[in-house]
Amino acid sequence: GAVVSQHPSWVICKSGTSVKIECRSLDFQATTMFWYRQFPKQSLMLMATSNEGSKATYEQGVEKDKFLINHASLTLSTLTVTSAHPEDSSFYICSAEQVLGNTIYFGEGSWLTVV
Amino acid sequence: GNSVTQMEGPVTLSEEAFLTINCTYTATGYPSLFWYVQYPGEGLQLLLKATKADDKGSNKGFEATYRKETTSFHLEKGSVQVSDSAVYFCALSGSQGGSEKLVFGKGTKLTVNP
Repeated sequence: GAVVSQHPSWVICKSGTSVKIECRSLDFQATTMFWYRQFPKQSLMLMATSNEGSKATYEQGVEKDKFLINHASLTLSTLTVTSAHPEDSSFYICSAEQVLGNTIYFGEGSWLTVV
Repeated sequence: GNSVTQMEGPVTLSEEAFLTINCTYTATGYPSLFWYVQYPGEGLQLLLKATKADDKGSNKGFEATYRKETTSFHLEKGSVQVSDSAVYFCALSGSQGGSEKLVFGKGTKLTVNP
């Protein structure tokens, strides 16, 4: 079946550096991808909606200059956390919407720890 | 590891019908359980949650009870509306290796016809 690959699964970075997380749809095209984050013991929060070839739509309260989203192709969206701080440490997960069939698939998520 | 098994769809109902979407889970320890909903063209939204056994989550007429003895968290609604047409995801959040990770079911697409 359709698979969404998210990479890296785990990443540790130093404060002030930037880190990129990739979300790939492996065997289908996805015009829309969604990025979420989850803080410990809390539910998932939508950060932004990423549309291929256009600017991402950010949810209220999400800093677009800090969380850069690029959806350059129908199979790849990237989330870059710029100038990371410890409070950015979280679980980030993406989902991709298959063009045909209107089905959504989730990546496995990425753990970010900022030290 | 932790896993969620969700009733496969699609599910098609008439308005005012009773809805049940089954969800069972496998987890170590005491996970929190969630139902998320994704309406057409929108991102995922939290519908309801339960954090311990016998808790009942409810929202917008939907209910789900955390049943530890049957490891289930079935979603129910007594009378569905056309506006409930969406994809529903069951999920759990539990500790693995000292960190919490959200695990999703595959989703169930619900279509409600007038």
